[in-house]
Amino acid sequence: EVQLVESGGGLVQPGGSLRLSCAASGFTFTKHWMSWVRQAPGKGLEWVANIKQDGSEKYYVDSVRGRFTISRDNAKNSLYLQMNNLRAEDTAVYYCARGEEWLLYRVAFDVWGQGTMVTVSS
Amino acid sequence: DIQMTQSPSSLSASVGDRVTITCRASQSISNYVNWYQQKPGKAPKLLIYAASSLQSGVPSRFSGSGSGTVFTLTVSSLQPEDFATYYCQQTHSAHSFGGGTKVVIK
Repeated sequence: EVQLVESGGGLVQPGGSLRLSCAASGFTFTKHWMSWVRQAPGKGLEWVANIKQDGSEKYYVDSVRGRFTISRDNAKNSLYLQMNNLRAEDTAVYYCARGEEWLLYRVAFDVWGQGTMVTVSS
Repeated sequence: DIQMTQSPSSLSASVGDRVTITCRASQSISNYVNWYQQKPGKAPKLLIYAASSLQSGVPSRFSGSGSGTVFTLTVSSLQPEDFATYYCQQTHSAHSFGGGTKVVIK
């Protein structure tokens, strides 16, 4: 079964750090771009970051660039999001998503995890 | 940055209705648009990629069209399980989403 399982969410104080993990199974991890997408409570979807199959290219939304780092360990079929200097506005459910490349560099997110909640509050 | 503006933000419809949701891009993005469905408390589900290609397993009552700056998602005959929120996404540069359209029962 194709599956993504996130972990690592929780309550953190403003300015703190958190590392999210996403364990992939049931597919060839190295064939896919991987992404993080978040959703603040009662709000819409916001793409956060993505990473190329071999980890050589990474892209971020402006609001997290310089604070968040996306990475992957292909030997462990795992995706990560290191989040530093967290702010209240980073409070959201964080989803990892698999990118299916239908054209070079053009992906659609065809498999999603169940999400992990991150709450930034004092 | 490319902005995706969805309309309407919500709509009420009945089972069997034809429903159309529109997404407008702030600049031309070819056919680099995907559409997703999300139900409360669940992860999004991919419906359409490349503006008009139906994702495997998605019912044929869903269709997408458009190119350039205007894109549409159409549900030809709304079913009870289709009441949800729908999002467009552009993949021309970064992967920003539209604001969403909530489809509720009339």
